[in-house]
Amino acid sequence: DADVTQTPRNRITKTGKRIMLECSQTKGHDRMYWYRQDPGLGLRLIYYSFDVKDINKGEISDGYSVSRQAQAKFSLSLESAIPNQTALYFCATSDRGGSQPQHFGDGTRLSIL
Amino acid sequence: DQQVKQNSPSLSVQEGRISILNCDYTNSMFDYFLWYKKYPAEGPTFLISISSIKDKNEDGRFTVFLNKSAKHLSLHIVPSQPGDSAVYFCAASVSPSGTYKYIFGTGTRLKVLA
Repeated sequence: DADVTQTPRNRITKTGKRIMLECSQTKGHDRMYWYRQDPGLGLRLIYYSFDVKDINKGEISDGYSVSRQAQAKFSLSLESAIPNQTALYFCATSDRGGSQPQHFGDGTRLSIL
Repeated sequence: DQQVKQNSPSLSVQEGRISILNCDYTNSMFDYFLWYKKYPAEGPTFLISISSIKDKNEDGRFTVFLNKSAKHLSLHIVPSQPGDSAVYFCAASVSPSGTYKYIFGTGTRLKVLA
């Protein structure tokens, strides 16, 4: 089983709809992250959380919100989806203690029509 | 403002030869650098890292070199294998107040030709 699981893997929806992307992990890591990948732009950080009570905005948080329901679960919501939020979304985790490599899920491909 | 740049979108190399992937950065406060490999339909996987106090780190066929004065790092893969064909991202960590955020480059697609 995957250590970092993202659901759904693919989603097509319409402008204005509310969307939730979910991430769960079995690695026991405290830190969790949401990124989006767009062609030619690499991975950009949306939100991150260093423990259940800690939520921080990344470089592109506008239009998104998150919830850290438990150490193992971190969900990303688009309250009113717009077409330029069409992208590949990745959840990642990392261990505590200094700079640590991140472990990524396999991504959610989101298309907003 | 792209703080981490991978100026080569793609690279093709013959099997058995050396692959060299390059990454430039602008922020002198970066203190930890990582390389990730990404296959289609999968998430990035961690490959190798280097702390800013070192100039080289080796792991099997993979070596990362860091030139702080030039703000440049490179990943060498020797010998290259067809299974190395993937997109490679470099990332840099800056840790103001212990936040440990990562800034990613745009990626280089490596194709190893059999």
